[in-house]
Amino acid sequence: GAGVSQSPRYKVTKRGQDVTLRCDPISSHATLYWYQQALGQGPEFLTYFNYEAQPDKSGLPSDRFSAERPEGSISTLTIQRTEQRDSAMYRCASSETGGAYDEQFFGPGTRLTVL
Amino acid sequence: AQTVTQSQPEMSVQEAETVTLSCTYDTSESDYYLFWYKQPPSRQMILVIRQEAYKQQNATENRFSVNFQKAAKSFSLKISDSQLGDAAMYFCAHAGNNRKLIWGLGTSLAVNP
Repeated sequence: GAGVSQSPRYKVTKRGQDVTLRCDPISSHATLYWYQQALGQGPEFLTYFNYEAQPDKSGLPSDRFSAERPEGSISTLTIQRTEQRDSAMYRCASSETGGAYDEQFFGPGTRLTVL
Repeated sequence: AQTVTQSQPEMSVQEAETVTLSCTYDTSESDYYLFWYKQPPSRQMILVIRQEAYKQQNATENRFSVNFQKAAKSFSLKISDSQLGDAAMYFCAHAGNNRKLIWGLGTSLAVNP
């Protein structure tokens, strides 16, 4: 696609429910990143994929968080048994090769609110 | 651990004037990369400028330039001839060999007409 897209743009859920967020990266990009951005803060790294491999998931806050990219393109981030502290903007980004110097292209984010 | 510090939560500048946003970082790596990203009210995240640590020459992109002081671990952003469209949150970020971008808390820049 022309840019990185994410869906849904807004998600309101009740505490204890599971949510799944979707990211569709730029089609030629090998690497995909997930970030969590709390209001008034900078993004915090969650995990990244190089094609379908997931070399680093050290930023995932707990085992309630998981991410997949089974065919090396679209990715999903799932949060199980959501808690109020999970409320944040979840951003996806992609880069062409995944090199540290590569520009990361960001999607518009999914604003998650857990009631 | 790698850290990025932006000590100015808010800044303001008059249109057409110059403003400098500060960023310091900490890392034990010798090869790394530094970035400034802009987040306008639309909440998009847009790359402004980037610098490779092994290059001594400061990066420039039109009205945007950096002052990279490797020994001091400082990476400030200078915006010249400020425009109303420059109003945004500016984030400084660092990437090492592990490819993770570590971000500062941001500086909110207001541009006054």
